[in-house]
Amino acid sequence: DIVVTQSPDSLAVSLGERVTINCKSSQSVVYSSNNKNYLAWYQQKPGQPPKLLMYWASTRESGVPDRFSGSGSGTDFTLTISSLQAEDVAVYHCQQYSSTRTFGQGTKVEIK
Amino acid sequence: EVQLVESGGGLIQPGGSLRLSCAASDFSVSNNYMSWVRQAPGKGLEWVSVIYAGGSTYYADSVKGRFTIYRDNSKNTVYLQMNSLRVQDTAVYYCARDARDSSGSLWHFDLWGRGTLVTVSS
Repeated sequence: DIVVTQSPDSLAVSLGERVTINCKSSQSVVYSSNNKNYLAWYQQKPGQPPKLLMYWASTRESGVPDRFSGSGSGTDFTLTISSLQAEDVAVYHCQQYSSTRTFGQGTKVEIK
Repeated sequence: EVQLVESGGGLIQPGGSLRLSCAASDFSVSNNYMSWVRQAPGKGLEWVSVIYAGGSTYYADSVKGRFTIYRDNSKNTVYLQMNSLRVQDTAVYYCARDARDSSGSLWHFDLWGRGTLVTVSS
């Protein structure tokens, strides 16, 4: 199975500052037939289910603010929040779906 | 409104059985790939099982042979039958739908229910 590891486990950032979360898979998640990265990001606020933010590593889901962006390819990926807002406090999960489906352990984002 | 509503969780002793339900509204479970994903207290997400539109089913190694996913198209509901429950099965269980386009599943989850808590304890 593909193992997905996120870093850091948690971080505290001041409002308006940039947030960077990393996600690393043990194998490439690029599907050769379409050259797409089978990686998604979800946001989970306290007491709520996860919500899809990004898919194909860098495609923003409809309605997601453009301060959220995804990048990377192969085995290394990044979720960036360009300017942290209070409503962005949450746990962020990455998930690969190139081979079954596995999630990272999650990254908790708090306000400093 | 397009939504998923889980039910059936509760407190159960180790070795016991429980059946979870996931009722879908405003879309058909028979045309979609539907999964169960769980989250142990304070932990990350773990994919548990999926049923494809064609009926094929797949399971995580941690539940294979103990859990069964199935659906009732007439009730537009997906179920997870959980047998031989263990303390480590304690988690919130979410039902989730794969995003799809005209060619089929896109393999990531675009719709989640609010979850149902399963506690396995003596």
